Amino acid sequence: DGGITQSPKYLFRKEGQNVTLSCEQNLNHDAMYWYRQDPGQGLRLIYYSQIVNDFQKGDIAEGYSVSREKKESFPLTVTSAQKNPTAFYLCASSPPPDRGHTGELFFGEGSRLTVL
Amino acid sequence: DAKTTQPTSMDCAEGRAANLPCNHSTISGNEYVYWYRQIHSQGPQYIIHGLKNNETNEMASLIITEDRKSSTLILPHATLRDTAVYYCIVMSNTGTASKLTFGTGTRLQVTL
Repeated sequence: DGGITQSPKYLFRKEGQNVTLSCEQNLNHDAMYWYRQDPGQGLRLIYYSQIVNDFQKGDIAEGYSVSREKKESFPLTVTSAQKNPTAFYLCASSPPPDRGHTGELFFGEGSRLTVL
Repeated sequence: DAKTTQPTSMDCAEGRAANLPCNHSTISGNEYVYWYRQIHSQGPQYIIHGLKNNETNEMASLIITEDRKSSTLILPHATLRDTAVYYCIVMSNTGTASKLTFGTGTRLQVTL
């Protein structure tokens, strides 16, 4: 089945360690996104990528890094510079609006990171 | 991007229609209204979207006012499984990317 796979679903790390969250999609979508969600809050955009080897900062990019070496993959690294990394992280992708879609997002099931 | 305003929470009895309002008074002419919902600890799920006409699919109906400054999502026969946070979003395209901005949404509680 086509979809977006995030791993791991749960992750515990010690303070000061870098952590990489995986996001893979087989929907052949060009654009991919990373969002962060804190308890009781909406989603905030961290980074997004429109095409391979290109990505843009979202609203809260500080302390995070991404890469887009393949169309299918958009990993997110939570670095030690992120002051409060404990959160629920959501990856999404979207087809381009000119292919009969209007750019709706397809989400993965999320990765919950807890920094101890 | 246009911002949206939604009530923080709503209750609905099972089997009744759930009407979720959203204000987006600063929407521009080429921006769509999207609705997503998020069940606890899962990724958001797309429900429906529209530009100016009312829309209906197997999940819900979307009613957009003529001036496009507000809309209502209607779940015609709410079930317990519809308990979730519902997000009303106005979409701005940036090239080929859709930079949807999610607010805090409406927490819908469906009760027996």
